[in-house]
Amino acid sequence: EDKVVQSPLSLVVHEGDTVTLNCSYEVTNFRSLLWYKQEKKAPTFLFMLTSSGIEKKSGRLSSILDKKELFSILNITATQTGDSAVYLCGETSGSRLTFGEGTQLTVNP
Amino acid sequence: GAVVSQHPSRVICKSGTSVKIECRSLDFQATTMFWYRQFPKKSLMLMATSNEGSKATYEQGVEKDKFLINHASLTLSTLTVTSAHPEDSSFYICSARGLAGGPSTDTQYFGPGTRLTVL
Repeated sequence: EDKVVQSPLSLVVHEGDTVTLNCSYEVTNFRSLLWYKQEKKAPTFLFMLTSSGIEKKSGRLSSILDKKELFSILNITATQTGDSAVYLCGETSGSRLTFGEGTQLTVNP
Repeated sequence: GAVVSQHPSRVICKSGTSVKIECRSLDFQATTMFWYRQFPKKSLMLMATSNEGSKATYEQGVEKDKFLINHASLTLSTLTVTSAHPEDSSFYICSARGLAGGPSTDTQYFGPGTRLTVL
């Protein structure tokens, strides 16, 4: 059974800090790894990663995949209170998207 | 682009009634839509995969007769919670995956969710 594990489950930081969120996976037919941000409603898409070692960036957020170690990280630099959310990591194999438990990030002013 | 809508956003119903939730892909065609359920402070739990023109594929433990899914067109899927009970109260979220040539077929775009409360 495909499995996605995120860590930490919860993280509290101050504005301006840099955070790293972790995602490891065990899948049989890996296709891609996706990161989403979920605030009060449904998740919003952040990144899709398919190749090892290629960093994707969007403003203060960046993410990279290591297919050898079955691992991905999401970095957020200079955090702001608006970054407070649950960050979900999911992997696609076949037609399904399997999510991890999510990391609850709280950024305090 | 890649906008998914859900309707209604919130519904309160009496125990024993049925509730229909609609999921639409507004600016792309979706061969596959997914229905998730999310409990407070928990991750999304996949309930079923809905393919246009064919029967939905349900995850283990999800009752297909209770959660009826119809995917009548490339832009619309519906989830009907039949004979709802208080334990069905939850946040239901749909997502859509695009056709080749549109948004990435691996990326799922989520609707805003429907909060169901069964009294």
